[in-house]
Amino acid sequence: NAGVTQTPKFQVLKTGQSMTLQCAQDMNHEYMSWYRQDPGMGLRLIHYSVGAGITDQGEVPNGYNVSRSTTEDFPLRLLSAAPSQTSVYFCASSYSARGTHEQYFGPGTRLTVT
Amino acid sequence: AQSVTQLDSQVPVFEEAPVELRCNYSSSVSVYLFWYVQYPNQGLQLLLKYLSGSTLVESINGFEAEFNKSQTSFHLRKPSVHISDTAEYFCAVSESGTYKYIFGTGTRLKVLA
Repeated sequence: NAGVTQTPKFQVLKTGQSMTLQCAQDMNHEYMSWYRQDPGMGLRLIHYSVGAGITDQGEVPNGYNVSRSTTEDFPLRLLSAAPSQTSVYFCASSYSARGTHEQYFGPGTRLTVT
Repeated sequence: AQSVTQLDSQVPVFEEAPVELRCNYSSSVSVYLFWYVQYPNQGLQLLLKYLSGSTLVESINGFEAEFNKSQTSFHLRKPSVHISDTAEYFCAVSESGTYKYIFGTGTRLKVLA
C-alpha cells in the first residue's frame, strides 16, 4: 500500500493563479480531509468528505474547492491564489467517518504564493 | 464549541529526563482523543488514542497519556526521553457523532544531549 499520496511536494504560485493539489489513498477509506498547517496555529481543517459525492466545509474553507468523485481521490482546488494561502497542506484519510479511527496523513505540499 | 489547547509551544528537556506535554479540551459531548507526532518535513503519525475504557493508554515507544474527564485533559508523558523523540506533538479531539477532528497548536519537544 502506498497509503496517502500528495502531489506536488512543492509549488510556487503567483497571486491570482489557480491550481489543484492532488490527494489519493489506496486504503479504501471512507473519510478524507484537507488541512493547512501554519506556524503557531496547528492544523486547521479546510474541507472534508465522508464518502464519494459528499463533501463539507471545515474551519477555513474560503478560497478552496473540493470534490470527491471516487473513493480514492480528493483534490483541493485553489481558485485564485492569495499570499495568505502560503502554507503547508496535508491530506488525510480515515477508515471511518465516525471519528473513532486514526487519520493517515500524506507527506504534505508546501505552497508559496508570491 | 469544541477546542483543544496545548499551552506549551516548546518544551526543551535533557535526554533520559521525564517529560509531560499538556493538552486540554473543551466539549459538551463525548469525545475521542488522539496524540499525533510530526517529525521534520513529514506528515503526522498517530502516537496513541483514547476511545473508551481504561483512561490510561500507551504507545509502543514508551509514551502514555491519561484521559481525565473531570479536568478535560489528555496529557502525554514519557518517563525517559531519547534524542529521537525530538518532534512536534499534536493533540486532537473528535466529538462523538461529528465528522471533524480539531487539532491543538502543537508542542515542539526538543531533547538535548
